[in-house]
Parts: sequence; structure tokens; C-alpha cells
Amino acid sequence: EVQVVESGGGLVQPGGSLRLSCAASGFSNTNYAISWVRQAPGSGLEWVSAISDSDQSIYYTHYADSVKGRFTVSRDSPRNTVYLQMNSLRAEDTAIYYCAKHQGPGIAARPTCAFDLWGQGTMVAVSS
Amino acid sequence: DIQMTQSPSPLSASVGDRVTITCQASQDITTFLNWYQQKPGKAPKVLIYDASSLERGVPSRFSGSGSGTYFTLTISSLQPEDSATYYCQQYKSAPLTFGGGTKVEIK
Repeated sequence: EVQVVESGGGLVQPGGSLRLSCAASGFSNTNYAISWVRQAPGSGLEWVSAISDSDQSIYYTHYADSVKGRFTVSRDSPRNTVYLQMNSLRAEDTAIYYCAKHQGPGIAARPTCAFDLWGQGTMVAVSS
Repeated sequence: DIQMTQSPSPLSASVGDRVTITCQASQDITTFLNWYQQKPGKAPKVLIYDASSLERGVPSRFSGSGSGTYFTLTISSLQPEDSATYYCQQYKSAPLTFGGGTKVEIK
């Protein structure tokens, strides 16, 4: 079955860190861009970060302004897993975090950039 | 950053009605626009990509149109299972951005 599964969420104090994982199965995620999208309780969708495919071990990353400098997205190709390292967490980072596979290798400005496969989400709560 | 503005919200309509949701971009995004449907407690699901292409498996009552800065999602005959929140999303440039969502309710 083709799927992506997130893990690593939990309760953390302000200023703390968490690492989320997005494990792909049924396909090689190195051929596709992967995004992280979050949804705060009762709110809409907010794109967080993306990593392009890893052709020739070179890939590109992008971040929302709200997380730039605090979050880092990376790949472990042999494990078919994408990570989101979240540091200096704030209360406003509280949300369900979804991993979403793009239709193709790119992040933007070309066809095949829609998110065609989503995980079930993992909850991150930042509170003292 | 490119801002995406959706209207209306919420939207209340009857089964069988033709429903149109609009999405405006703050700058020209050509046809780099997707539409998603999200039901409560579930992950979003893509309906339309590249402004007007129907995702495989999505009912043909859903259609998308537009280019530049103005886009629409139309449900030709609203069904009870279409009760959900709908989001547009641009991918002309990063940061990728979503509209605020349109909640569609069945009367």
C-alpha cells in the first residue's frame, strides 16, 4: 500500500525541541518532493516546509517565514524517511503536522506540485 | 509572499445546487493552483490540480477553472458527502500558501 506515516509528535515545553518523521512505504520518496503542512486547532492549513527530490544527492529546501531558522527538513534516503527537526518551539507551533507527498520531484512553479498523498498527521502541543 | 483569499465562508446550499467557491491570488500565479477538500478529523485530499485538472477518482461534478489571479471551484450538483471545508493553494513560488478555507454546509 502506498502511504506516508508521521510520528514523533507530543507535548513539549516552550523553547524545547521535537523531531517529526515521515516514513514512506509503497514508493521511493527520493523521487518526489515532500512537504510538511500544519493545522492549528480550529484553524486552516498552513504550509511549513518542503524538500525536493534527491536526484544525485542534491536537494532543495524551503520554509515558511514563521519557522525559518527554527525548523530544518532533511531526508534519509535509505530509510525512505523525511524528518522535520523543530527547535525553539513556541505555543503558536501547536498543531497537527501532516506530511504530504508532491505529485512529482519539484516544490513549485511546474506541473505535478499538488499534494497527492497525505499522512494521518501527528499532534504537537507546546505548553508549560 | 503570495496571499490567497477565498470566498464565501461559510457557504450553505441544498442538495442538488450548483455551488461555486472563488479564490483570488495577490499576484499572477498563471495556473499554479490546487484545490483540496478536508472533512472533520481527516487529512485533506486533492480534488483539482494545475487549476483545472481533475484528480483521478474524484467525481466529475467537481471542476476548476481560472488563471492569473482569479480561480473557481464548482460543484455542479451538491451531494450530502460534499459537506467539508475546501482550500485553494498556490505553488507559483515558495512559501507555498493556502487560502483561508470555505466551509460548505448542507441545508
